[in-house]
Amino acid sequence: EVQLLESGGGLVQPGGSLRLSCAASGFTFNLYAMSWVRQAPGRGLEWVSAISGGGGNTNYADSVKGRFTISRDSSKNTLYLQMNSLRAEDTAVYFCARELVYSSRPMDYWGQGTLVTVSS
Amino acid sequence: SYELTQPPSVSVSPGQTASITCSGDDLGDNFVSWYQKKPGQSPVLVIFQDKMRPSGIPERFSGSNSGNTATLTISGTQAMDEADYYCQAWDSSTGVFGGGTKVTVL
Repeated sequence: EVQLLESGGGLVQPGGSLRLSCAASGFTFNLYAMSWVRQAPGRGLEWVSAISGGGGNTNYADSVKGRFTISRDSSKNTLYLQMNSLRAEDTAVYFCARELVYSSRPMDYWGQGTLVTVSS
Repeated sequence: SYELTQPPSVSVSPGQTASITCSGDDLGDNFVSWYQKKPGQSPVLVIFQDKMRPSGIPERFSGSNSGNTATLTISGTQAMDEADYYCQAWDSSTGVFGGGTKVTVL
């Protein structure tokens, strides 16, 4: 059974840093690209970042480029999101998701989400 | 940056058909996925590659994409289908979600 379990969320002050983790199980982790998607309170879904199966290709939304870094450790079957210079507008539930190998890169499995609150 | 536009809300009576549109420049040249999101739950993929249904998704969910508009259709809508629905596409390796459509089953 495919499972994705996020952790690392919490309360952080503006300008602070946080690292989210997403532990994957039930599939061959390094064969799948992965994405982070967030949802701010009362708002819609926003794609944040993606990384290829081998980790060599990464992409970011303009809103987080230069502040967030996506990475993965295949030995630990874990996806990460390092978030620096956090702002109030980064407050959201962050989901990790697995991408299927199709042209549309659909995200077929999602974690339960972890809440990040940026506030003083 | 690429934008996808959805109507904020759609209302439908039980058993009737709900159609949710998603508009973007030359959207028909891209593949579109659709996600169902209920409060407090993780998103669920309901359509990918414009019109394919993942295993376990009821046949009442269907999709199309042509020109500048993609459409998610829910036939014989049930109360359990009440949720927010998001279209999603990729633009130069950057993911883009529509703003979401709240489907209310009256």
